[in-house]
Amino acid sequence: NAGVTQTPKFQVLKTGQSMTLQCAQDMNHNSMYWYRQDPGMGLRLIYYSASEGTTDKGEVPNGYNVSRLNKREFSLRLESAAPSQTSVYFCASSEATPSSGNTIYFGEGSWLTVV
Amino acid sequence: GNSVTQMEGPVTLSEEAFLTINCTYTATGYPSLFWYVQYPGEGLQLLLKATKADDKGSNKGFEATYRKETTSFHLEKGSVQVSDSAVYFCALISGNTPLVFGKGTRLSVIA
Repeated sequence: NAGVTQTPKFQVLKTGQSMTLQCAQDMNHNSMYWYRQDPGMGLRLIYYSASEGTTDKGEVPNGYNVSRLNKREFSLRLESAAPSQTSVYFCASSEATPSSGNTIYFGEGSWLTVV
Repeated sequence: GNSVTQMEGPVTLSEEAFLTINCTYTATGYPSLFWYVQYPGEGLQLLLKATKADDKGSNKGFEATYRKETTSFHLEKGSVQVSDSAVYFCALISGNTPLVFGKGTRLSVIA
């Protein structure tokens, strides 16, 4: 039972490098999300996709881009990494629309360090 | 806008002690409320939820009651175990916005 799978689990980048975090879910969910988790800040929404083909900004979208490649996959790209983007990134998915109250399922996280 | 405020941690308790983690919220409309738990090295998983006023969510011995009059959703457990050590997040959904989280409360239970 895979659920939400994200890769890579750990990554170290140099300032200015680019990278893409991959996320896939096998639950046939419509909505997918990217959050970042920082000490003392809880989880903050970066981008979300309510359905295939749509994406919307969350609370902290600057410095990121996303692609909803198909219903299963939702990638997060850092075009020019900065130390402020050092964080733990979580992908998540849910069956229905973001405001429906349905359970959101999380991946195990990707630890990203920018030096 | 929507927001969640939960008590600062860390909270350290002895095994079998009573647990309360306070959570209050600000929201437009009628939010659904959630508690998520994050065990070390893992992602978040839903612990319990309540979708309307006076509902009580419960799971694994944890309970929380949706109190509209005090805009609160406090998490309680009568007797904690070492295995309950984790970070607990209060969250809400209201209107057409995705889930909004509190900052999390770390719980450590010692034997």
